[in-house]
Amino acid sequence: GAGVSQSPSNKVTEKGKDVELRCDPISGHTALYWYRQSLGQGLEFLIYFQGNSAPDKSGLPSDRFSAERTGGSVSTLTIQRTQQEDSAVYLCASSPSGGLLTDTQYFGPGTRLTVL
Amino acid sequence: ILNVEQSPQSLHVQEGDSTNFTCSFPSSNFYALHWYRWETAKSPEALFVMTLNGDEKKKGRISATLNTKEGYSYLYIKGSQPEDSATYLCAFLAQAGTALIFGKGTTLSVSS
Repeated sequence: GAGVSQSPSNKVTEKGKDVELRCDPISGHTALYWYRQSLGQGLEFLIYFQGNSAPDKSGLPSDRFSAERTGGSVSTLTIQRTQQEDSAVYLCASSPSGGLLTDTQYFGPGTRLTVL
Repeated sequence: ILNVEQSPQSLHVQEGDSTNFTCSFPSSNFYALHWYRWETAKSPEALFVMTLNGDEKKKGRISATLNTKEGYSYLYIKGSQPEDSATYLCAFLAQAGTALIFGKGTTLSVSS
């Protein structure tokens, strides 16, 4: 079956612009995660959605970052007034069966964001 | 601040060599450890999820061990092949944690 998909695969934007990154999780997966990897850093947790529960936003680095998950499926990560330090690869992952964190997470291919 | 360290940062081996690398994590409040393989231009792929001290997992030529009391996990690759070239990530989950904490990865390059 189809894996996790993300779009766009690459995004170049100017400082100060807003961007939206999209994630389509595997059908039926109840948990969805956003991460980012900045140059030379490990994967950094951003936000976690589990079913209809309120999302865990504890990893969002600033209030310029927000995310939504509509209908328990597709998620959009929005970065407002982008800064050069937002340049990174943004990865989305989903997992089945209630999102237990011992569940395997299935990752998408990522969106490479470059802020000029 | 919970810290996950991986070593070495990178290594280069010849085809047929066996190799191993280390993931160090906090030994207190351990809940689970994940290993992922991330090949260039592909998505990270899950290798193992380990939860019990002394656990050993194996998938083909790749295996992993876990020591929760001292806070480390080893990943072994036997008879490395060029297709094993990738970055290997470990991720730690604390008890009552809500997010995986990833290390920076070990990048393996295997020459034929």
